[in-house]
Amino acid sequence: ETGVTQTPRHLVMGMTNKKSLKCEQHLGHNAMYWYKQSAKKPLELMFVYNFKEQTENNSVPSRFSPECPNSSHLFLHLHTLQPEDSALYLCASSQEPTGGSTEAFFGQGTRLTVV
Amino acid sequence: AQKVTQAQTEISVVEKEDVTLDCVYETRDTTYYLFWYKQPPSGELVFLIRRNSFDEQNEISGRYSWNFQKSTSSFNFTITASQVVDSAVYFCALSVSIYNFNKFYFGSGTKLNVKP
Repeated sequence: ETGVTQTPRHLVMGMTNKKSLKCEQHLGHNAMYWYKQSAKKPLELMFVYNFKEQTENNSVPSRFSPECPNSSHLFLHLHTLQPEDSALYLCASSQEPTGGSTEAFFGQGTRLTVV
Repeated sequence: AQKVTQAQTEISVVEKEDVTLDCVYETRDTTYYLFWYKQPPSGELVFLIRRNSFDEQNEISGRYSWNFQKSTSSFNFTITASQVVDSAVYFCALSVSIYNFNKFYFGSGTKLNVKP
């Protein structure tokens, strides 16, 4: 079993739909992240949870709603998305705080297409 | 402000050629970490190496080597005798500690195509 697991791997949704992305980490880490990867753009940090508390919301529109029920699970709830929200959404985890030294472990991502 | 620049969007080489991926970073922090990640077609980012700002020693791991130069704010990655399996997108990243978590700043990536 991989360290960080994301489901589903692919998702197509209409602009009026509501869906959720799930991330689970089996590494015993206490910090989890959502990143958005659009074509030809740097990875954009969306949210950070540390010890289940949201510590960063990087000016993300409210149509994206994160949830972290425990340190092993992270969700991203989606509603009334726009076509420009189509991207690869990556979840990551790391052990914090370590002064910036630890690497983040990434899942395989969810390829989201909004039609 | 923190920033990572990977000026090479895409590189194509023939198998067994050497290739260097460039990374230039900007930060005012004195303590920071630099990373390289590989993203194969399957999607996940795979950690390759970490370097802290106080350690400029170059590193070699098999066919991979990294050249960290603080004077030019660069952290370049060289693959020797490239192979088709090296084809992927490679990301350079800068990490600084903010409050109680790592904040990563990623470059836009370099897509490496290794042709047989």
